[in-house]
Amino acid sequence: GAVVSQHPSRVICKSGTSVKIECRSLDFQATTMFWYRQFPKQSLMLMATSNEGSKATYEQGVEKDKFLINHASLTLSTLTVTSAHPEDSSFYICSARASGNKYNSPLHFGNGTRLTVT
Amino acid sequence: AQSVAQPEDQVNVAEGNPLTVKCTYSVSGNPYLFWYVQYPNRGLQFLLKYITGDNLVKGSYGFEAEFNKSQTSFHLKKPSALVSDSALYFCAVRDSNQAGTALIFGKGTTLSVSS
Repeated sequence: GAVVSQHPSRVICKSGTSVKIECRSLDFQATTMFWYRQFPKQSLMLMATSNEGSKATYEQGVEKDKFLINHASLTLSTLTVTSAHPEDSSFYICSARASGNKYNSPLHFGNGTRLTVT
Repeated sequence: AQSVAQPEDQVNVAEGNPLTVKCTYSVSGNPYLFWYVQYPNRGLQFLLKYITGDNLVKGSYGFEAEFNKSQTSFHLKKPSALVSDSALYFCAVRDSNQAGTALIFGKGTTLSVSS
């Protein structure tokens, strides 16, 4: 159980275009989802916390107008990278915690999306 | 502020030997500690966690970790390494005083097990 599906796994786009990444909890409801970004050989950096039915909370330094997050249902959160530039190329990973789970429960992670902006 | 340190970028061990991947943390309250493993171009898989209770925690794939409050450490261990254990390992923490927040990750340690 506790499967998080992330789509697409890889995407290549041209500079200036927008890319949408989906994160779905397949067998549980997730009130809260987290979006992380991972640079090569570096740790996961939290970008934002996505709460179902409300605005996302962005970490300092993350442009909310560039990285649009929508969490319209208890099983789906989306991250849209708007007007992508080569420096946005990275590995994006979403994670989710089941609704009602204690805060000491582990997060469940998607398999990540490799974004390459040319 | 919460933080996690993994002092080693890479750990190399021979198959069959014991392995240790180090992790230290800093939180204001009590720590919730986690270990995750990541294979290339994949998400993170949960290995084990410490919340309270026994300092020695056993997890998936034969891994275990020991919580040491005085040293603020949570080192990952395995008695006998396998080549298939080669991967990137992340230690993570959440402060019990900041319930609801995301996990904070260390920079990761690449484990390489040679045959």
